[in-house]
Amino acid sequence: AQRVTQPEKLLSVFKGAPVELKCNYSYSGSPELFWYVQYSRQRLQLLLRHISRESIKGFTADLNKGETSFHLKKPFAQEEDSAMYYCALHNSGNTPLVFGKGTRLSVIA
Amino acid sequence: GAVVSQHPSWVICKSGTSVKIECRSLDFQATTMFWYRQFPKQSLMLMATSNEGSKATYEQGVEKDKFLINHASLTLSTLTVTSAHPEDSSFYICSATGGTNTGELFFGEGSRLTVL
Repeated sequence: AQRVTQPEKLLSVFKGAPVELKCNYSYSGSPELFWYVQYSRQRLQLLLRHISRESIKGFTADLNKGETSFHLKKPFAQEEDSAMYYCALHNSGNTPLVFGKGTRLSVIA
Repeated sequence: GAVVSQHPSWVICKSGTSVKIECRSLDFQATTMFWYRQFPKQSLMLMATSNEGSKATYEQGVEKDKFLINHASLTLSTLTVTSAHPEDSSFYICSATGGTNTGELFFGEGSRLTVL
């Protein structure tokens, strides 16, 4: 069965500190992994996906198939990064995304 | 990116009444839409997959007679919460793939239902 695990419900860091939001998945095939973000009072939006291998708002995430992880990282957290972050897995075709429970990131000034 | 719009954004109703929530794809055709439910400060729970022109596929534990989904056109899916009760109070979010199979979802702004 497909499953996405985000072990931390809440992560608090100081502004300027590095941040890493953990995500592990279980899936037998080759998944597509995503990070979605939900800022306060806004809709969910895509932050980045593993296939694009790009950095968005300073965030990066590398798919590690050996560890079945897709951790989200940023070297220097900013206050505007405070939000709810969801890791998600896509199987194939038109199937729905499977979401982790989310991690609330709080960046303290 | 693709735009998904929900209406209403907030609705309050009395217990026992039915409430309809609309989800529209504004600039693309959505053969498939997904309905999620989000409890306060919790993750999204997939309720059902809405397929244009056919019956919705419900996730285990979701009552299909309670949460009626209709996807009558390529740009509109509706979720009707029938005989609503206070425990149905939640944030309901629809999403669509934007016409691609890449897995990326575009989300509506969500509809907050409060049942008194």
